[in-house]
Amino acid sequence: DAGVTQSPTHLIKTRGQHVTLRCSPISGHKSVSWYQQVLGQGPQFIFQYYEKEERGRGNFPDRFSARQFPNYSSELNVNALLLGDSALYLCASSFSPGNTIYFGEGSWLTVV
Amino acid sequence: EDKVVQSPLSLVVHEGDTVTLNCSYEVTNFRSLLWYKQEKKAPTFLFMLTSSGIEKKSGRLSSILDKKELFSILNITATQTGDSAVYLCAVEALSGGGADGLTFGKGTHLIIQP
Repeated sequence: DAGVTQSPTHLIKTRGQHVTLRCSPISGHKSVSWYQQVLGQGPQFIFQYYEKEERGRGNFPDRFSARQFPNYSSELNVNALLLGDSALYLCASSFSPGNTIYFGEGSWLTVV
Repeated sequence: EDKVVQSPLSLVVHEGDTVTLNCSYEVTNFRSLLWYKQEKKAPTFLFMLTSSGIEKKSGRLSSILDKKELFSILNITATQTGDSAVYLCAVEALSGGGADGLTFGKGTHLIIQP
């Protein structure tokens, strides 16, 4: 069975641009979460979606938004990119909130 | 604010040694504590702990949770070079009907020398 898949794996954007990152959860999983991991730190929670509704939001500015589609895949959008948004963005899925969370390989975003 | 502190932040040992990694936490409405191994990209799941005093084992790895003292340890026996990685500790809490996600520590960077 395929694990959590994310795309793209690497991308470079310019300050002020917009980026969309995509995630497909493990088959049967209905909860998707997004995390930001900067170098040398642990991942930081951005959003959690369950059954297509936002269930939780971390301490990130409104430039960050996400959604979950009927097939449970998800997109993370970041507007007006800043240099500080450069990080590994991890998507994670679980059957439902409270169940074991499995991570994808991540999308490396570099903002120049 | 939920908080997870891991120690040590880095550790270098020789192959065959036994290591103990520490994780202390402060969290409101604790649900579970999780350990992950991160080698390059995706953190891979190791253990989920919800009850105090019950050791979880997987091969050479084991972990236990103390909910009274608010800490967990991860033990690795007979270490191998393939154990070199960053080990992340995270706690999950619930607030009302929503979800706060996982709160991670900074990780312990473990290096196993041949």
